[in-house]
Order: sequence, then structure tokens, then C-alpha cells
Amino acid sequence: DAKTTQPPSMDCAEGRAANLPCNHSTISGNEYVYWYRQIHSQGPQYIIHGLKNNETNEMASLIITEDRKSSTLILPHATLRDTAVYYCIVRVGYNFNKFYFGSGTKLNVKP
Amino acid sequence: KAGVTQTPRYLIKTRGQQVTLSCSPISGHRSVSWYQQTPGQGLQFLFEYFSETQRNKGNFPGRFSGRQFSNSRSEMNVSTLELGDSALYLCASSLSSRKGLENNEQFFGPGTRLTVL
Repeated sequence: DAKTTQPPSMDCAEGRAANLPCNHSTISGNEYVYWYRQIHSQGPQYIIHGLKNNETNEMASLIITEDRKSSTLILPHATLRDTAVYYCIVRVGYNFNKFYFGSGTKLNVKP
Repeated sequence: KAGVTQTPRYLIKTRGQQVTLSCSPISGHRSVSWYQQTPGQGLQFLFEYFSETQRNKGNFPGRFSGRQFSNSRSEMNVSTLELGDSALYLCASSLSSRKGLENNEQFFGPGTRLTVL
């Protein structure tokens, strides 16, 4: 099973960019990287996903290294409401909807 | 579109009892997955149902079971409850195909918080 490694916590000043790293060195060629976040025991919320290329949507940007062994989620202008646990997930190839959540990174956005 | 709904939101049971949790997916979504979240183990995959069939299963004992109905609504059941079953149980739905070549996001419900005394 593909595993991910994330720092347990990070701080970010409000209004600044938050860069959350993730290592997934055992990722296979057909496995997607997904990012979700969870705010205070609510259900996880989808942020973004990608395979090889960098991706951007209204919430964030996802930068995947060329060897695909790591990625970075970027929240361009963090707000207090972005305080949450962020999960980097490698979706297991063709194994349908089976997600393995790691420990996640607790992002603390401070005023 | 209404989101994923789960009932009940909170539940208290005693050891040895059984419990049934319900999940209604987003309209049109045919895949429903269940996860258990505890402080010690984090979020763990329980199982996934698609078109009334279980097509994926995590590493949980047989006390944990589920089913899916023709309208895609799903239930999970835990029998002979143990203290360690106290957790937030999350349901997620997804657009899916029978082939299973997936890159669609899962949408999570608010969860059911189960406390076993």
C-alpha cells in the first residue's frame, strides 16, 4: 500500500502562503495524489488532486515533483478558516475508491 | 445538490450491543465508502459498496459489515460492540464506474459519533 509522510504540524501567518509538503516515495505510475482537509472532526473536505502535472483550482495549487515521489499543497493566501488537518493521500491505482489516509498535518493559521 | 447525509449524528451504546448506521449519498453517486476515525488510528478504510456489491474491504474484523440498497443508500452494522469501537464513522460517496478506473473525488458526510460504554 502506498504510504504518505507529512509533518505533524505547521504554522502560517494569516495572508501568507501555506506550503504543505508530502512524501510518497513508493507511489506507482498510475496512482493519483489527493489532498483533503478536516476541520475539527467534520467530514474531510476535498481540495485538489493530480497525477503528474501541477494542478490549480479555486482553493489551492498542487505541485508534484518530476519523479512523483513528493508533492506540495499551496494555499496562496491562508486565512484563519484554513486552520485544519490536511491529509495527503495516494489513491491506490485501480483499486476503486480505497483511500489510505496518513496522519496529516495540522496547519495553524495565526493572525 | 444535497450533500452526503448520515444518521444518527450521535449514538451511545453499551458493550455487547449492536448498532446500525445509515448513509445517504449525493444523488447520482453509486459508490459509498465507510471509514472509521479514532484518535489513535486516524482515518481507516472500512469498505466500499458499488451497485449493491461490496467491491473493496479494509482490515477490520467480521463484526463490521455493510450493505447497499438499490437507491445507493448504505448501512453499516457493528455487532458485539467493544469499547475500542468508539469512533467517528464517516461515509463518503463518489461518482464511479463499474470498471473502477477512478480519479473522482469522494464527498464525505458529517459522520456519526459512536460512543461505547
